[in-house]
Amino acid sequence: AQTVTQSQPEMSVQEAETVTLSCTYDTSESDYYLFWYKQPPSRQMILVIRQEAYKQQNATENRFSVNFQKAAKSFSLKISDSQLGDAAMYFCAYRSNFGNEKLTFGTGTRLTIIP
Amino acid sequence: NAGVTQTPKFQVLKTGQSMTLQCAQDMNHEYMSWYRQDPGMGLRLIHYSVGAGITDQGEVPNGYNVSRSTTEDFPLRLLSAAPSQTSVYFCASTYRQGYNEQFFGPGTRLTVL
Repeated sequence: AQTVTQSQPEMSVQEAETVTLSCTYDTSESDYYLFWYKQPPSRQMILVIRQEAYKQQNATENRFSVNFQKAAKSFSLKISDSQLGDAAMYFCAYRSNFGNEKLTFGTGTRLTIIP
Repeated sequence: NAGVTQTPKFQVLKTGQSMTLQCAQDMNHEYMSWYRQDPGMGLRLIHYSVGAGITDQGEVPNGYNVSRSTTEDFPLRLLSAAPSQTSVYFCASTYRQGYNEQFFGPGTRLTVL
């Protein structure tokens, strides 16, 4: 079974600075997808960024980028120019490309933005 | 499109009561699923469905039933509520296979006394 680990329960960053959230995962598969979801106080789960395992190029979405290290099974999220609206819980998630569409989530990192 | 909708948003039950959490999507997604979110544990899969008439168990299915009579709806039934089922419940849907985003509903906060 796959597992996803987020070792930082809480992080904080000054507004306009850069922060990196860590995620590691364990799998024996070679074809899968990785996601970062944001959950603000509204509770809504919002997709931030996604990565296909067979693509070596790291995904980027505006201020959000990932560092995907397949051999190390690491998938960190970098947020540049942090904004107050980035304050939220961030969840890393894994999905196999075989079988059902199940997402396996990490336990989350609560990000605080300091004005 | 309304996306994924869930009702109710909040619910308080007494131990032993039963209820149904409603979930609907208007995106013609084949795959629908239910997750529960507990503090410090992330989201865990309860049940899922790959199409009308087809359901299967996830990671934590005990105490819950599901059915999928239409593509649009995927209700979650609590048969006899227990305090351990106090949680936030999310419904999600997506197209099957590939590089597809799962869309989540707004969640239902359930408290069992």
